Amino acid sequence: DTGVSQDPRHKITKRGQNVTFRCDPISEHNRLYWYRQTLGQGPEFLTYFQNEAQLEKSRLLSDRFSAERPKGSFSTLEIQRTEQGDSAMYLCASSSYDPGQQYFGPGTRLTVT
Amino acid sequence: GENVEQHPSTLSVQEGDSAVIKCTYSDSASNYFPWYKQELGKRPQLIIDIRSNVGEKKDQRIAVTLNKTAKHFSLHITETQPEDSAVYFCAAISNYQLIWGAGTKLIIKP
Repeated sequence: DTGVSQDPRHKITKRGQNVTFRCDPISEHNRLYWYRQTLGQGPEFLTYFQNEAQLEKSRLLSDRFSAERPKGSFSTLEIQRTEQGDSAMYLCASSSYDPGQQYFGPGTRLTVT
Repeated sequence: GENVEQHPSTLSVQEGDSAVIKCTYSDSASNYFPWYKQELGKRPQLIIDIRSNVGEKKDQRIAVTLNKTAKHFSLHITETQPEDSAVYFCAAISNYQLIWGAGTKLIIKP
């Protein structure tokens, strides 16, 4: 499969625990994006990378969230001290230099109990 | 910054009829407008896109039109089929980011 992949697909965690998600973009894509989506809403931008550089972070991204893309390939999104409000689908997307044609992974559904 | 508004929020059409979803944007510098389809529990999928130097683009039963002067663009689906049922999102590029509309839930009635 040459599309965007994400791992895990589902994560259930207790409030206060840390979680980490992984995204593997399409191999030739140099841009990678993280979004959060709750039921009935459109994707909400969190952050994006061009190669290994994190170029923009949403103001909605609290200090508990951090993302990395150390070698310009896969990326990780970590949420520390999870809260119930963090429950959502976390989507990763990638694109070439054209930022518009973003291709999405299947998402990681996070449930914080 | 860019703001994208999408209407209607829900659209119910008879199978075989056409469906039209409309979006407006605020940033005149935006030059790329994709449409995504998202089925329940699935990822958003890019179905068609249009650039600002083109007024219309068609791909089988799907077409998109763009009016740069009025800053609005529309998705047209003809001969709707049950598999067209999904949520459709429009978006616009602004400062290398996709700004999304709120989505339209399209219901195809048999």
